[in-house]
Amino acid sequence: AQKITQTQPGMFVQEKEAVTLDCTYDTSDPSYGLFWYKQPSSGEMIFLIYQGSYDQQNATEGRYSLNFQKARKSANLVISASQLGDSAMYFCAMREGMEYGNKLVFGAGTILRVKS
Amino acid sequence: KAGVTQTPRYLIKTRGQQVTLSCSPISGHRSVSWYQQTPGQGLQFLFEYFSETQRNKGNFPGRFSGRQFSNSRSEMNVSTLELGDSALYLCASSLRDATDTQYFGPGTRLTVL
Repeated sequence: AQKITQTQPGMFVQEKEAVTLDCTYDTSDPSYGLFWYKQPSSGEMIFLIYQGSYDQQNATEGRYSLNFQKARKSANLVISASQLGDSAMYFCAMREGMEYGNKLVFGAGTILRVKS
Repeated sequence: KAGVTQTPRYLIKTRGQQVTLSCSPISGHRSVSWYQQTPGQGLQFLFEYFSETQRNKGNFPGRFSGRQFSNSRSEMNVSTLELGDSALYLCASSLRDATDTQYFGPGTRLTVL
């Protein structure tokens, strides 16, 4: 079974508008972490935001926020005021319990294109 | 602080050869993980090293191996290269334990002919 599901292969958004990238996850471990990374065409993975399973509030980092709905097992990324430089591939990833060390499981990704 | 560095950035090899990729983590980071990214399989975890010991391993054949040195720098080796090994190999480092964020390097793009 897929542990991380990103159902949107590609998304378009108008510059300065907000966009939501979907991510659902599957785990039976009560302790886990959820990450979003951005990968521009250059290939480097850029860390955006982190949400721990026990965090009471949704994570925010500048224009990025994570809409964490634990009961629905979803961790959607919201980008506010989109910029042309936001055009990239976005990956949702999960790290399960401590015994798995630093192993990240990634979704298939969503390509975001920002239009001017 | 300098980020994660990977060398070489690009590599072309032929089937049957072996290759060694290098990763230098962020200063002070002791955990190094390796991932393979291909269009077909996406991003897959290879292995993680912490304090010179392999802490976790993904589902890859024994042709894929790695090691970590006392300065936390890591190398991964792929022996008897196959066409399917063509991929972007990404290295990530984190401070210490499994609650820390992983920061990625720019990757090594390996092409096997």
